[in-house]
Amino acid sequence: DAGVIQSPRHEVTEMGQEVTLRCKPISGHNSLFWYRQTMMRGLELLIYFNNNVPIDDSGMPEDRFSAKMPNASFSTLKIQPSEPRDSAVYFCASTLTGGTEAFFGQGTRLTVV
Amino acid sequence: AQSVAQPEDQVNVAEGNPLTVKCTYSVSGNPYLFWYVQYPNRGLQFLLKYITGDNLVKGSYGFEAEFNKSQTSFHLKKPSALVSDSALYFCAVRGSSGGSYIPTFGRGTSLIVHP
Repeated sequence: DAGVIQSPRHEVTEMGQEVTLRCKPISGHNSLFWYRQTMMRGLELLIYFNNNVPIDDSGMPEDRFSAKMPNASFSTLKIQPSEPRDSAVYFCASTLTGGTEAFFGQGTRLTVV
Repeated sequence: AQSVAQPEDQVNVAEGNPLTVKCTYSVSGNPYLFWYVQYPNRGLQFLLKYITGDNLVKGSYGFEAEFNKSQTSFHLKKPSALVSDSALYFCAVRGSSGGSYIPTFGRGTSLIVHP
């Protein structure tokens, strides 16, 4: 298996633009997490999906952030409009519900200028 | 709510010496505990886990960790450090019962191994 695949690896955008981050979980995994990593706040959970349904989105910072999982093999995290404070590395991770460790993608480094 | 504390932002050790990276946790019920490693510009890689059974668990690259229920700790150890072990290490916890599948991560500890 290729593991969790995220795209793009790097994204530089101007403030106010829409940004879409993509994630393909490991085949057969039915739980998916989006995390954000910054120096100041460490690794923060943004949203958790189980069987394509958002279960916990309490970590989504504000209405500018939205996430979808239209099927078991694809998820998106959208920021609209983007702001400089959104600059961070965004990770997607997947696991089996009731399974143990989560598997992480390589991350998307977002820079908003 | 569950939480993880990694009290040291950075750990420095000489190559060949033993290393310890500390982690304490808080969770309802029995814990599932994990260690991950992150190299620069990479994602988190799973190192080892404690689910049940022997308190000393062994993982990848010669790392091991000891679960201590009374002290609610899960410290990462290695008998002899390598320069290539230099990286960012994360401890994580999640509950073992339904509805608690979301892992919570510590802030991370930067391990620097000096030649």
